[in-house]
Formats: sequence, C-alpha cells, structure tokens
Amino acid sequence: GAGVSQSPRYKVAKRGQDVALRCDPISGHVSLFWYQQALGQGPEFLTYFQNEAQLDKSGLPSDRFFAERPEGSVSTLKIQRTQQEDSAVYLCASAHDTQYFGPGTRLTVL
Amino acid sequence: AQSVTQLDSQVPVFEEAPVELRCNYSSSVSVYLFWYVQYPNQGLQLLLKYLSGSTLVKGINGFEAEFNKSQTSFHLRKPSVHISDTAEYFCAATSGSARQLTFGSGTQLTVLP
Repeated sequence: GAGVSQSPRYKVAKRGQDVALRCDPISGHVSLFWYQQALGQGPEFLTYFQNEAQLDKSGLPSDRFFAERPEGSVSTLKIQRTQQEDSAVYLCASAHDTQYFGPGTRLTVL
Repeated sequence: AQSVTQLDSQVPVFEEAPVELRCNYSSSVSVYLFWYVQYPNQGLQLLLKYLSGSTLVKGINGFEAEFNKSQTSFHLRKPSVHISDTAEYFCAATSGSARQLTFGSGTQLTVLP
C-alpha cells in the first residue's frame, strides 16, 4: 500500500473490556513498531517486530498488553481488561531503514 | 539510555518570520536524529533525518537542521514560516543497537497571521 494504515481510527471501550488494534505496514517492510502517545506527550516505544519475531517488548506497560505479527505483515496490539490509564493514541510504524507512521488509533477507556 | 529534550513546549511566531525549534539529546554513541511533524488527528510525518556525513541536513517544506556534536543538539530551523506550518514537532533519536525511537515531548508551533 501507499502507507501504513491502522484500524479502527477511534475506539471507545468500557473499563474492563478487551480491545484489538490493527496495523497494516508498508508492503515489504521487515520492521514494525508500536508506540503509545499520551495526550500532550511524545510517543513512547512499546514493542518491535522483525518479520514475525518480536525482538523487543520492553516497553509494554503490563502483562495486559500483547502484540503479535504471525505472518510477518499485519500486526495486532491487544489490550486486555482495559483501564482508564490506557487511554492514548496508539501509533504503528513500519521501516526498511526510516520509520513511517500510520495515523494512529485513539483509544478512550471510560 | 537515550533521552531527548525539547526545551520549548510552545512557540508562537508571526507568518514569514524565521523560527528555531530546539532539541538536545543525551547520548552521542552512534546517534541518529530525526524531526517529525504531526498535524491534528494525523500520524507523524518525517521532516528530515541525520544519519552521518554533513552536519547540515535539509528536509521537506523548507526546513533544515544542524547536528552539533559538541553541544549535543539538533535544532530545527526555517527562514520563513507559513500558516500551514502550524503543527506539533517532535525530535527523536536512536543510538547504538537500539532500533526504536526515543522522542522528545514535542513543540507546538503556532504561526500567527
């Protein structure tokens, strides 16, 4: 595709619900990153994939956060039992060398 | 660990005036530096990057930045801004073997008519 796409663009969840956020990277990009951007802050690293291998998940804030990329292309970030502090924009980026970002998913937990 | 500091959270400037957005980083070991711009409800768009070579880097939309190793800075400049430059600007860095970007907290540039 022309760029990185993410869906949904907006998600409202009740506290305690599970959510799944999807990222479609640029075709052929081996590397894929997830970041969390709180209101008024810069993005913060969550996790990194090279093809289907999750090489770094040091930024995931708790074991409620889980990411996968089973076929080395599309990736899903799953958040279980959402909490209010999970409200943020979740950004996905894919890279050959330079990271290119998608539009993000704005998650609001009520 | 790498850290990035953007010294100004908000920068108001009049149209056609010059602007400088400041960025300092912590680690000089194999550091790569980036400036991204974020328009409302959009993702991050790459403005320019420094990987190696010339310390003056030119990017899109008339922006440029200078890598200064002695001052650990990578300030973004534009000689004449337009209303359309109003956006949030993020400085980012990666170093050593790390692949992920470390971002600053952002600078909101507001161009006034």
